[in-house]
Amino acid sequence: AQSVAQPEDQVNVAEGNPLTVKCTYSVSGNPYLFWYVQYPNRGLQFLLKYITGDNLVKGSYGFEAEFNKSQTSFHLKKPSALVSDSALYFCAVRPFTGFQKLVFGTGTRLLVSP
Amino acid sequence: DTEVTQTPKHLVMGMTNKKSLKCEQHMGHRAMYWYKQKAKKPPELMFVYSYEKLSINESVPSRFSPECPNSSLLNLHLHALQPEDSALYLCASSQAPGATETQYFGPGTRLLVL
Repeated sequence: AQSVAQPEDQVNVAEGNPLTVKCTYSVSGNPYLFWYVQYPNRGLQFLLKYITGDNLVKGSYGFEAEFNKSQTSFHLKKPSALVSDSALYFCAVRPFTGFQKLVFGTGTRLLVSP
Repeated sequence: DTEVTQTPKHLVMGMTNKKSLKCEQHMGHRAMYWYKQKAKKPPELMFVYSYEKLSINESVPSRFSPECPNSSLLNLHLHALQPEDSALYLCASSQAPGATETQYFGPGTRLLVL
């Protein structure tokens, strides 16, 4: 089965510090991986995706993610966190079969303190 | 512009009511999706339309009836819902139904079934 796991329910970081939100995947075939952010009572906003090519993917709002095939990980990172980054972050994978389906992880709440 | 609009923003309905959710995009996208999101959970796929044809139904109860009148519009007709159907209903679209395509989400309709 194709899946992603987000091992941390919540990540706390001080404003200005680097942040990492973890995601590991389990897929057969090439993984197509996505990160989305959800603010309270809002829909999901696309941040970035990995399809192929460079392992470091740059996305919106200063976020980036590193694809690591040997560790089957796709961690989301930002060099300097903002209070406004506080939100719910979802990692997602597009399965090799049933390719129209986007399968989400359980989400990680990021709390950035002033 | 990557905007997907959804109406209404909020909906309260009784178990005997019939109501509809509406989703619209003007990006020329040919794949559209309905997801259901319960509180503090990831979105779960309900339906996928590809080129205005229903291509995936994730075993959704028949009290939910999707409709795609044209390539820009997606409706979700609701009838005889149960209180457990209360959730955030998210619409998304992508340029095509392929595995590498990014899904763009609307803000959602928050549904409360009494």
